[in-house]
Amino acid sequence: AQKITQTQPGMFVQEKEAVTLDCTYDTSDPSYGLFWYKQPSSGEMIFLIYQGSYDQQNATEGRYSLNFQKARKSANLVISASQLGDSAMYFCAMREDPQGGSEKLVFGKGTKLTVNP
Amino acid sequence: DAMVIQNPRYQVTQFGKPVTLSCSQTLNHNVMYWYQQKSSQAPKLLFHYYDKDFNNEADTPDNFQSRRPNTSFCFLDIRSPGLGDAAMYLCATSEGYSSLSKLFFGSGTQLSVL
Repeated sequence: AQKITQTQPGMFVQEKEAVTLDCTYDTSDPSYGLFWYKQPSSGEMIFLIYQGSYDQQNATEGRYSLNFQKARKSANLVISASQLGDSAMYFCAMREDPQGGSEKLVFGKGTKLTVNP
Repeated sequence: DAMVIQNPRYQVTQFGKPVTLSCSQTLNHNVMYWYQQKSSQAPKLLFHYYDKDFNNEADTPDNFQSRRPNTSFCFLDIRSPGLGDAAMYLCATSEGYSSLSKLFFGSGTQLSVL
C-alpha cells in the first residue's frame, strides 16, 4: 500500500504567487515524522521542512510552511512568494518510529513545480 | 561546506564492468544510506548501515554490494552493471533511526551504462 501519496504530478505557478503542494500519508504508528525535500535538476535532495506527529503547531521555515492536518493525514507544503529558483521536483516523505515501523524514509512520487515569470 | 560528498558526479561504465561509487560525510552520523533514483521516479532505498551493521532491502538485487570501512566513508559496488542500472545514486546520512532524524543527502552520482 502506498504510504505517501502526492496526487499532483506537475504544478504551475506565477512568480511571486503562493502555491500548495499536496501530500497525504498512511500510517498506524502514533509517532512519525513528515519531511519535504526539493530536488532541482542538478539532482541534489535539499531538505526544506519537517513536521513531527506530536507537534502542536504547523512548521514554518522562511517561505515554506507545512499545513499539517493530522485527522485527515495530510501534510501539504505551502510556498509563499514563489521564485524562479523554486522550479524543481518536490518530494514528501515520512519516517515512522522504529518501535512500530521502519527506520527508513519513504518518499512519495513527487510533484514537479514550474514557476513562470 | 559540503557535509555529504559523493564522487564522482558523473560515472560512465560499460555493460558488465564493475563500478564503485563513493560517499563520505563530515557529520559523524551513525547511519548511511544508498538510494537509487531512476528518471522521474522517487528514490528507492537499496541498503543502509547503522555503524557497521549492514541492512539490505529485500528487493535489492545481489548485483549491488556495499562497504563501510569507517564512520566517514561508504561505497556502493555494482558487480556487473546492466542497462537497467543506469540511474542517479544518492547517498544520505542521519544521526539515527528516530522519526525526528532528517536525512542529509549528497549531490548524487549519475551513472550511465553503455
